[in-house]
Amino acid sequence: AQSVTQPDIHITVSEGASLELRCNYSYGATPYLFWYVQSPGQGLQLLLKYFSGDTLVQGIKGFEAEFKRSQSSFNLRKPSVHWSDAAEYFCAVGPNNAGNMLTFGGGTRLMVKP
Amino acid sequence: EPEVTQTPSHQVTQMGQEVILRCVPISNHLYFYWYRQILGQKVEFLVSFYNNEISEKSEIFDDQFSVERPDGSNFTLKIRSTKLEDSAMYFCASRIIRGEQYFGPGTRLTVT
Repeated sequence: AQSVTQPDIHITVSEGASLELRCNYSYGATPYLFWYVQSPGQGLQLLLKYFSGDTLVQGIKGFEAEFKRSQSSFNLRKPSVHWSDAAEYFCAVGPNNAGNMLTFGGGTRLMVKP
Repeated sequence: EPEVTQTPSHQVTQMGQEVILRCVPISNHLYFYWYRQILGQKVEFLVSFYNNEISEKSEIFDDQFSVERPDGSNFTLKIRSTKLEDSAMYFCASRIIRGEQYFGPGTRLTVT
């Protein structure tokens, strides 16, 4: 069965500092990988996705993520965090077939200090 | 930019009552999904729907749940007899044939 682990439940960074959110997955084949962000009271917004090709993917709001097959990881990074980035971040994995149900990690809540 | 919409944003119901959560997916999308997120827990897949039938469902999606696409635009989730443990945020999502899922803002269901 597929699973996603986000080891950090809470992370606090200072505004302007760099950020890395960890995501490890367990899946039998090459998965589709996603990062979503959820602001308080809001739905899930897609930050970026990996389907195939270049393992470093760029997303919205200055985020990027790198797929590392050997480590079964898909960590999210941002070079300089803004106060508006405070939110909950979810990594998700889905099969590369038509059904594409997503399995989510437990989420990482990001807090940004001024 | 087109978006998935959901109504109501918050639904309060008594245990044992039926509820219907409504979603309007993005108009040219073909696959539709329901997920739920119990407070403090992971987002969990419930069901996927394609070509007017369920294509995949989780063990959570038991006989108390049903989905329907009653017309060309709406996608509904019905819970026949709600339980306290059904209290959660319910998210609708949709996508085209091959692509990412777009999520709605969610409906918070509170069962008392």
